[in-house]
Amino acid sequence: EIVLTQSPGTLSLSPGDRATLSCRASQSIGRNYLAWYQHKSGQAPRLLIYGASSRAIGIPDRFSGSGSGTDFTLTISSLEPEDFALYYCQQYGTSPPLTFGGGTKVEIK
Amino acid sequence: QEQLVESGGGVVPPGGSLRLSCAASGFTFSFYGMNWVRQAPGKGLEWVAFIRYDGSHQYYGDSMKGRFTVSRDNSKSTLYLQMSGLRADDTAVYFCAKENAPDYPGSGTYFTRGAFDIWGQGTVVTVSS
Repeated sequence: EIVLTQSPGTLSLSPGDRATLSCRASQSIGRNYLAWYQHKSGQAPRLLIYGASSRAIGIPDRFSGSGSGTDFTLTISSLEPEDFALYYCQQYGTSPPLTFGGGTKVEIK
Repeated sequence: QEQLVESGGGVVPPGGSLRLSCAASGFTFSFYGMNWVRQAPGKGLEWVAFIRYDGSHQYYGDSMKGRFTVSRDNSKSTLYLQMSGLRADDTAVYFCAKENAPDYPGSGTYFTRGAFDIWGQGTVVTVSS
């Protein structure tokens, strides 16, 4: 099983700040099948990034993903008020089980 | 507009059973692998199960094996999750989710092919006496 470790657990920032979220895998993720999701309480999760660096349809370009192998990063270049939420990384498409990271909460400072 | 709508959640006693449904619309359901994901109170997202586009392969998270069964009816564009032997730690919001890459005969892949681009709003399952 691939274990995903997200850091930090909580990121306290202000609107306009740059957010850098990390996701580290316990073993290399094949084909960079790594996704990032935004999740707000009471809502469905929202796909932001897939394939480590491809933005999903309708996602603003302030969201970007990078990395390969075992180290991945989600960057939000300039936080908007609606970006304060929980963020999860996920690995998919290698072999079961599919796993999620523990999440990073981006909160208003 | 692509949409998933879950139903079937409720309160069930420990050891009980429940069947969740997920009705799809706005896309060709039979082209895509589908998944169930859950979120327990105060916890993160946990993958529950996957079923291939044609129903030929199913996979489960470790704690669900032998208790949960995922199935689909492509003629009705509906995904199901039959849960039995329910435990208190199965209490969660259950989401169905569509993959963002279609599958096809001869693809050579039997597990997930894409990230989850469409999610339902979730249905709440509470296991309690």
